Amino acid sequence: DSGVTQTPKHLITATGQRVTLRCSPRSGDLSVYWYQQSLDQGLQFLIQYYNGEERAKGNILERFSAQQFPDLHSELNLSSLELGDSALYFCASSVGRANTDTQYFGPGTRLTVL
Amino acid sequence: AQTVTQSQPEMSVQEAETVTLSCTYDTSENNYYLFWYKQPPSRQMILVIRQEAYKQQNATENRFSVNFQKAAKSFSLKISDSQLGDTAMYFCAFSGGSNYKLTFGKGTLLTVNP
Repeated sequence: DSGVTQTPKHLITATGQRVTLRCSPRSGDLSVYWYQQSLDQGLQFLIQYYNGEERAKGNILERFSAQQFPDLHSELNLSSLELGDSALYFCASSVGRANTDTQYFGPGTRLTVL
Repeated sequence: AQTVTQSQPEMSVQEAETVTLSCTYDTSENNYYLFWYKQPPSRQMILVIRQEAYKQQNATENRFSVNFQKAAKSFSLKISDSQLGDTAMYFCAFSGGSNYKLTFGKGTLLTVNP
């Protein structure tokens, strides 16, 4: 158990819908990262937050957004869902914002868009 | 941009034997970190081992060790005394420079046979 929690574990929804994925980092960690794992794209970085502020952006679609709250939990919002958004979404956390900090991953949320 | 290449999509090994997974990377950074993550059938991403580029000594964690060749940009993972529970997808990952994200290879599926 990494100490990073993600809810829900599974999510099944229809095209065009909007969903919210939730992540709680390890105790003491200030950075949260979101990754998408799909069969065709592999593991891709979406976005990073550090202590409530957006720190880095990767291949995140405009239909997707995220935020980190004062209690440091983070939410990833996916809207106007398409079939291709079906994937495993991971949250990871690290203690600081340095690129040398080890990232610890949560169990993931499996999103299925029908 | 950094790239990580894992040239072995699948490997198999007999229980109790030793296996080596290959990883090469490309970067112009001097300060970076390399990681091996394991993803068992449960889909959880588990950190196996990490290596700081400035350290010449190869990292070891129990049965897991790396062979880090900085000039060749090679970072292989050796698993000794393989166990059935080692069956998983193994991802090599890079973090460094101005990038806060992890850049992953496509993974190697390792099967340990009884």
